[in-house]
Amino acid sequence: NAGVTQTPKFRILKIGQSMTLQCTQDMNHNYMYWYRQDPGMGLKLIYYSVGAGITDKGEVPNGYNVSRSTTEDFPLRLELAAPSQTSVYFCASNRPGGDFGQFFGPGTRLTVL
Amino acid sequence: EDKVVQSPLSLVVHEGDTVTLNCSYEVTNFRSLLWYKQEKKAPTFLFMLTSSGIEKKSGRLSSILDKKELFSILNITATQTGDSAVYLCAVEANTGNQFYFGTGTSLTVIP
Repeated sequence: NAGVTQTPKFRILKIGQSMTLQCTQDMNHNYMYWYRQDPGMGLKLIYYSVGAGITDKGEVPNGYNVSRSTTEDFPLRLELAAPSQTSVYFCASNRPGGDFGQFFGPGTRLTVL
Repeated sequence: EDKVVQSPLSLVVHEGDTVTLNCSYEVTNFRSLLWYKQEKKAPTFLFMLTSSGIEKKSGRLSSILDKKELFSILNITATQTGDSAVYLCAVEANTGNQFYFGTGTSLTVIP
């Protein structure tokens, strides 16, 4: 199993540009999450999904959109990038009621200039 | 508002020391509390705690949960330089299966 994979690893955007961060998991987990982590801070939940076709907002959803057309994929879309979106983005997945918490992808480091 | 608070924010110790990291929480519909280790990359799972008073152990690391006082501790004995990392505490809520993270404790172990 590859676990949770994310692409790209790094990206630099100009203000106002858009991009999609990709996330795929091969563990057949129903639940998937997107977090951002700013320097010296914990993880803040952006969006999450409890299954294909179902998404919901987390703590900091403004400026982002998600979709969940399949169990495996959970892309995060940034529209009109702003410097405040400079952060490290982690995708995670888990099985409801599981005993090992969430499995995290390697992260995407995004800089908006 | 649901929140998770960790202390101390940072800690510097010498190899062989024992450290205790703290996590307190106020989360509606608590399901579990988790500890993760983060070494400049993705967090990796350490422990999940759901019941009060039952210690979880893995080698030199151990953790316990107090659901009455709403806190948990993570102990690391005989610390090694490889223990240097940020330790994150997260609380899982039953509602929507959301996870709330603390800001982490940065541990530095000096040889």
